[in-house]
Amino acid sequence: DIQMTQSPASLSASLEEIVTITCQASQDIGNWLSWYQQKPGKSPQLLIYGATSLADGVPSRFSGSRSGTQYSLKISRLQVEDIGIYYCLQAYSAPFTFGSGTKLEIK
Amino acid sequence: EVQLVESGGGLVQPGRSLKLSCLASGFTFSNYGMNWIRQAPGKGLEWVASISSSSSYIYYADTVKGRFTISRDNAKNTLYLQMTSLRSEDTALYYCARGAASRYWGQGVMVTVSS
Repeated sequence: DIQMTQSPASLSASLEEIVTITCQASQDIGNWLSWYQQKPGKSPQLLIYGATSLADGVPSRFSGSRSGTQYSLKISRLQVEDIGIYYCLQAYSAPFTFGSGTKLEIK
Repeated sequence: EVQLVESGGGLVQPGRSLKLSCLASGFTFSNYGMNWIRQAPGKGLEWVASISSSSSYIYYADTVKGRFTISRDNAKNTLYLQMTSLRSEDTALYYCARGAASRYWGQGVMVTVSS
């Protein structure tokens, strides 16, 4: 099974700061990587699919990148509405696997 | 507008069965693969099962394989999850989601397994 190692587990950053969250896949998953944001009491929302494609309606300050088997989500200028928990998901090979999540807070 | 509405959750005793439904609207249901994803209270997301648009391909997490069955009725725009031999560790909010990238999610339905 493919393991997704997500880091950091938690992150506190200032408004307007650049934030980066990473997921390391245990083997090649191509671009079958998505990023989600979940706010308290809400369903997760797709941010990035295909490792780098921005989902409809998602602010352009969010971006995804890939370097080999390492995937990153970057928030270029942190806003207060960006607080929540972020997850990656590999859908390359079943069983599909989520990262363990990154809790993002405002400093 | 894409809508996914889960139903069928509740409190069930260990070892018993429960069937969840997800009614889809606002898109051509038969064109998309579908997923069940769960979240235990205070925990992260766990992928449970996926089914292709025509039910030709079905996949399960190891934690539910042999106990859960995913299915769909394209004529009724409905996705199902039949859960048997339920365990306390199956207690979670169960979401249905559309497509390989899970672009759209329902609001979730709670399943509590307890005596």
